[in-house]
Amino acid sequence: SQTIHQWPATLVQPVGSPLSLECTVEGTSNPNLYWYRQAAGRGLQLLFYSVGIGQISSEVPQNLSASRPQDRQFILSSKKLLLSDSGFYLCAWRYRENTEAFFGQGTRLTVV
Amino acid sequence: AQSVTQPDIHITVSEGASLELRCNYSYGATPYLFWYVQSPGQGLQLLLKYFSGDTLVQGIKGFEAEFKRSQSSFNLRKPSVHWSDAAEYFCAVGDTGGFKTIFGAGTRLFVKA
Repeated sequence: SQTIHQWPATLVQPVGSPLSLECTVEGTSNPNLYWYRQAAGRGLQLLFYSVGIGQISSEVPQNLSASRPQDRQFILSSKKLLLSDSGFYLCAWRYRENTEAFFGQGTRLTVV
Repeated sequence: AQSVTQPDIHITVSEGASLELRCNYSYGATPYLFWYVQSPGQGLQLLLKYFSGDTLVQGIKGFEAEFKRSQSSFNLRKPSVHWSDAAEYFCAVGDTGGFKTIFGAGTRLFVKA
């Protein structure tokens, strides 16, 4: 069966520090991968998605970047965090287009 | 562009009572529709999905949803709510390109004893 791992679960970082969140999927190959952010009490905002190694589509210009160095690995990064980067970050994967997405457990990021 | 509207920010129901969560979508063709549930501090879990065929879809945990094209709706229902159903519920639609999922803002369900 397929599983998705996302870490860390919780992170507190000072303003101006770098960020690296990692997501890996097991049990499938060539998945579509996604990073979402969820602000408190709000819906999901799609940040990035990838349909293959090295391919990244950015949905919202911001202080973040994403990379896909391996088929089942998706990384969310920042060189310098802002207070506004605080939120709940969710990684997700899909088999292919027009299928349901499966989510990781999320990372709670607090920038102080 | 596709969009999803969940008109109710929060709903409170008594345990054992029936539940209906509303969802309206904007989409030109036959949509791919989803309902997800999120417990506090957790990821999203798929409850059910509609791609085609029978417009009444059964999901996990006793939930069902009905696709009504004429009303552009995909409402979620449960005949008898349990306290463990308290969570946030998201309706979503697949975009025309097929690569992305558009989510509604969510409905927070509170269950009172």
